[in-house]
Amino acid sequence: NAGVTQTPKFQVLKTGQSMTLQCAQDMNHEYMSWYRQDPGMGLRLIHYSVGAGITDQGEVPNGYNVSRSTTEDFPLRLLSAAPSQTSVYFCASSYGWTSFFNEQFFGPGTRLTVL
Amino acid sequence: TQLLEQSPQFLSIQEGENLTVYCNSSSVFSSLQWYRQEPGEGPVLLVTVVTGGEVKKLKRLTFQFGDARKDSSLHITAAQPGDTGLYLCAARVSGNTGKLIFGQGTTLQVKP
Repeated sequence: NAGVTQTPKFQVLKTGQSMTLQCAQDMNHEYMSWYRQDPGMGLRLIHYSVGAGITDQGEVPNGYNVSRSTTEDFPLRLLSAAPSQTSVYFCASSYGWTSFFNEQFFGPGTRLTVL
Repeated sequence: TQLLEQSPQFLSIQEGENLTVYCNSSSVFSSLQWYRQEPGEGPVLLVTVVTGGEVKKLKRLTFQFGDARKDSSLHITAAQPGDTGLYLCAARVSGNTGKLIFGQGTTLQVKP
């Protein structure tokens, strides 16, 4: 199993550009989520999905869109990049979301810089 | 808004020393997890605690969940350079949403 994969690993954008961060998992996990990590702020939840066709907002959803057409893929779209979106983005997945013991498996991250 | 506060934010110690990291909240949580993250990688789960007062041990790491389930601690005995990393606590938001919130993290550096 490859686990959770993310592409690209690094990306530089100009303000106003759009792009899609890709995330895929091969563990047949129901639950997938996107976080951003900024210095001193831990991980903040952007969007999450409890299954194909179902998505919901997290703590910091503004400026980001998601969709979940398959169990495996959960892309994150930046509509019009802003310097405030410079961050490291992590995708995570877990088998379920109702058990106390659900373990989140994280991808290696995408480091995004917006100029 | 449910928040998790970790302290200290940074810790630099010599190999062999002991340390404790704290994760506190004003909210009650049904479970709490600790993750460890190394530079350039995603976090990896260390432990999940679910019962107030619960203590779990993972080699030299001891995790405790507060009696009131509002706080947790991570104690490392005889720290080694391999323990260097970012330690994050995480808890499930109340309600059946699956949302996890994270503390801001504790960066630990263990010098040889």
